[in-house]
This record gives sequence, structure tokens and C-alpha cells, in this order.
Amino acid sequence: EAGVTQFPSHSVIEKGQTVTLRCDPISGHDNLYWYRRVMGKEIKFLLHFVKESKQDESGMPNNRFLAERTGGTYSTLKVQPAELEDSGVYFCASSRNPGADTQYFGPGTRLTVL
Amino acid sequence: EDQVTQSPEALRLQEGESSSLNCSYTVSGLRGLFWYRQDPGKGPEFLFTLYSAGEEKEKERLKATLTKKESFLHITAPKPEDSATYLCAVPGTSGSRLTFGEGTQLTVNP
Repeated sequence: EAGVTQFPSHSVIEKGQTVTLRCDPISGHDNLYWYRRVMGKEIKFLLHFVKESKQDESGMPNNRFLAERTGGTYSTLKVQPAELEDSGVYFCASSRNPGADTQYFGPGTRLTVL
Repeated sequence: EDQVTQSPEALRLQEGESSSLNCSYTVSGLRGLFWYRQDPGKGPEFLFTLYSAGEEKEKERLKATLTKKESFLHITAPKPEDSATYLCAVPGTSGSRLTFGEGTQLTVNP
């Protein structure tokens, strides 16, 4: 069974530019999550999809971040315009069920905003 | 607000030297506690889920235990390949968001 995949693995952009991150969850997992880790801090929750619906987006830092999951399969996270403080590693995770079900993580996308 | 605190921040062991990592949590109504391993440049890799106080899970040289306030990850006779950052996380009281600790960076020297 293929794991969670993320693309790209690294992205370097300049302040003010736009970047789109993609996540493909494990097949059959309706629940998809985005997290990020900024330097020196713990991994923090951004949002949770159940199929194509946003179940919880309370962790999204501001309206420069837009997450979508059209069709309930893969998801994208767009940052527009990017700021320096957006630099970090963005992780995607998926689970079969919500709640306390195990979340399986992808390898992450390292975003550097210059 | 849910809180997870891990200690120590970093731990250096000699190969074969057993030790324990700690994860203290504050959450109203524990619905589970997760342990993950993270290698540099990779995503967290699932190790264990513990659901109730007194529960124990084992995998190779690792054993995780849970009390009402904390969890321990015991490492018995570690090898260099056990070197990694170990993360602890709890799901929220409502919803599915995980709250993570900052992790313990373990280095096992040959």
C-alpha cells in the first residue's frame, strides 16, 4: 500500500510569490490533514478535510493560506502571497477514520521564503 | 487548551545503554496518545497508539507505557539505528487535530 506522498519535496520562493503544495493521501483514507513545523517549534495543526469538506480549519494562520480537496482525493495548499514567516516544513497526513484513528504522515515539503 | 511536553529535549546514549523518554500531557478526556519516530528530512513514522492508563505496547527495542498524566517510551539496549527524534501527540477533545510535543532527539553512539 502506497503511503502519503507530497510534492514538491522542497520549494524556494521569494516573498510575495505564490506556492502550491500537493498531498496525495493513502488510498481509501477520507480524512486528510495539513500540519506545519516552523524552525524550533513543534508540529502544529493547520486543517482537516473529511472527503472534500473542511471539517476543522482553526489552525490556518491567515487568509493567505487556501486549502482545497476537490473530489475528495488529493489536496492542495496554496500560500499567496508568501511571507518570510511561512518558511517551514509542511506535512500532510491521512487517516481512514476521524477522531483518535492513526494518522499517517507524508515526507513533508520544505518551504523556504526569501 | 491541550498541552504536550516532552523531556529531555536531547539524549545521548551509548549502544546498549537503556533509557526512557517522557511525554507529559494535559488534555480533558484522553482519547489516545501517539508515539512517532522522525528521521532527518522525513515525515513522522507511526510507532504506537495507547488508549488507556496501564496500557503497554512493544516493538523491537521500544516499549511505550501510559499513565493518567504521562507516557514513557522505554528503549532497551539501543542501537545506532534507533537514533531519531521521537514525537508524542494527543488528539483533541473534540475533533481530530493532533497536538504534538517538541520531541526528544535521541542519539545512540556505537
